[in-house]
Amino acid sequence: AQTVTQSQPEMSVQEAETVTLSCTYDTSESDYYLFWYKQPPSRQMILVIRQEAYKQQNATENRFSVNFQKAAKSFSLKISDSQLGDAAMYFCASYGGATNKLIFGTGTLLAVQP
Amino acid sequence: SQTIHQWPATLVQPVGSPLSLECTVEGTSNPNLYWYRQAAGRGLQLLFYSVGIGQISSEVPQNLSASRPQDRQFILSSKKLLLSDSGFYLCAWSVWAGGASDTQYFGPGTRLTVL
Repeated sequence: AQTVTQSQPEMSVQEAETVTLSCTYDTSESDYYLFWYKQPPSRQMILVIRQEAYKQQNATENRFSVNFQKAAKSFSLKISDSQLGDAAMYFCASYGGATNKLIFGTGTLLAVQP
Repeated sequence: SQTIHQWPATLVQPVGSPLSLECTVEGTSNPNLYWYRQAAGRGLQLLFYSVGIGQISSEVPQNLSASRPQDRQFILSSKKLLLSDSGFYLCAWSVWAGGASDTQYFGPGTRLTVL
């Protein structure tokens, strides 16, 4: 079975600063992928970043990067140079190749202060 | 490029009435299709997924059903809505690429209120 845990229900960051959102996961599968999705007030889920578990290199997408610690089953998201448009709910998710299911955490609500 | 549509965007229905939500994907063939529900302030719950026409897998026993009449069309239905069916319904798609179909892309969602 897969589980995804986000222990920070809410976070706040000043504009232009850096913030890190935490996520831990558990899976029995050897072939899996990890994701961060952003859900702004419009509520559409937007893919932020994807990490293949077999790759040691941390994924990066512009101002967004992850710290993937496979042994610790940790997958945190770092947002650099935070912008007002980054304010949203952020969900961590895990996909298992054998089950073909995407399991979501409960989300972290990020506020960006001007 | 691929796009995903959902309609209606918002729906208010009385208890006991039927439901039909539609999702269509453009720009890809033979996608995997998914229906999720998100209650207020909560994470996403997978309801159904489909790997092909007429192939539906149900994740949660309830009064909802899904159908896939065409390759890129996915429909969520109910014969009689319950108050507990209120929520935000999201459709998603993925395709097999590089031996995996891991990355899911979501539609804009339908906000359903059952009164």
